[in-house]
Amino acid sequence: AQSVTQPDIHITVSEGASLELRCNYSYGATPYLFWYVQSPGQGLQLLLKYFSGDTLVQGIKGFEAEFKRSQSSFNLRKPSVHWSDAAEYFCAVGNAGNMLTFGGGTRLMVKP
Amino acid sequence: DTAVSQTPKYLVTQMGNDKSIKCEQNLGHDTMYWYKQDSKKFLKIMFSYNNKELIINETVPNRFSPKSPDKAHLNLHINSLELGDSAVYFCASSHSSSYNSPLHFGNGTRLTVT
Repeated sequence: AQSVTQPDIHITVSEGASLELRCNYSYGATPYLFWYVQSPGQGLQLLLKYFSGDTLVQGIKGFEAEFKRSQSSFNLRKPSVHWSDAAEYFCAVGNAGNMLTFGGGTRLMVKP
Repeated sequence: DTAVSQTPKYLVTQMGNDKSIKCEQNLGHDTMYWYKQDSKKFLKIMFSYNNKELIINETVPNRFSPKSPDKAHLNLHINSLELGDSAVYFCASSHSSSYNSPLHFGNGTRLTVT
């Protein structure tokens, strides 16, 4: 069965520092991969998605993610974090019927 | 002009009661979903509706029933509420049920069962 693992439950970075959030997936076929962000009290907002083609995908708010099939990974990166990036980040894989299987989430905290 | 709206935002009720959560989307999407987020932030699909027809029903208790009067609405009815039903419930919609159709989420309904 497909699954998504986000190894880091919490990550703290300083404002202006670079960021990488890890995501590993288990999926039998070519995966459809997503990163969503959830701010406190809000719903989830799509940051970026990977379906095929270029393995480095660009998203909103300066985020990017790289799909590495050999490592079954889809890590999210940002070169310089802003205080407003503090939120919960979810990696997900798409299944039949466009239902998503989510990872457990990574809470990002940003130090001033 | 909220795309996916849920009501109420908060719902506190006692065990054994029956409650409903409403969801409406104004995006013209064909597919709507309900997700449950537990206290550990883990998100799990509950239901998916496409053009008013249930296309996939996850293994949720039959106390939960989705009702879709039209393709813009997908309401969630819960009978005989239990403590374990306490969670945040998210409604979402997408243009279609194909893989390349991103989901748009509502802001969630926090259900607390006492």
